[in-house]
Amino acid sequence: KAGVTQTPRYLIKTRGQQVTLSCSPISGHRSVSWYQQTPGQGLQFLFEYFSETQRNKGNFPGRFSGRQFSNSRSEMNVSTLELGDSALYLCASSLELAGYNEQFFGPGTRLTVL
Amino acid sequence: AQKVTQAQTEISVVEKEDVTLDCVYETRDTTYYLFWYKQPPSGELVFLIRRNSFDEQNEISGRYSWNFQKSTSSFNFTITASQVVDSAVYFCALSELTQGGSEKLVFGKGTKLTVNP
Repeated sequence: KAGVTQTPRYLIKTRGQQVTLSCSPISGHRSVSWYQQTPGQGLQFLFEYFSETQRNKGNFPGRFSGRQFSNSRSEMNVSTLELGDSALYLCASSLELAGYNEQFFGPGTRLTVL
Repeated sequence: AQKVTQAQTEISVVEKEDVTLDCVYETRDTTYYLFWYKQPPSGELVFLIRRNSFDEQNEISGRYSWNFQKSTSSFNFTITASQVVDSAVYFCALSELTQGGSEKLVFGKGTKLTVNP
């Protein structure tokens, strides 16, 4: 069974640009969560999508947005990039059964903003 | 709000030594889950263990063992006879049930473990 895939793996952008990251969950998984990892702030929750609806959002500015498609694939977008957006962006998918749902993480997209 | 504290930022040991990674958490929930993840240099978070708040039994998996103590809100992780391949950043995490009905993970800052040959 294929794991969570994220594309691209590495990305370099300049301030003011926008970027779109993609995440393909494990087949059958309907929930996709996004996390940002930086040396200073650690791992922080961005948002979570289920059945094409955002169910929860972390404490990030409106420049960070996302969406989920009918096949559960998800994208996140960051507009007007700032230097502080340089981070590893991790996507996780879960099956969404009753009770707790284990999150499986992808390899991440490393974004560098110059 | 939920919080996870990993007081050890970095630990360096020599191969075959035992090492314990500490994790202390705060939550008002009566039902919650605790996790440990391993993050090798490649960046992917590798799931190690999930523990339900109602299950305080310690668990052993090969060289890995976990000690969950609700009385002290701790969920410590021990690697016995460490190996160079254990070198990674280890994260402790707590699940938080959100208003939207979903669950999100609250992570500690991580402990970087270096095992020297």
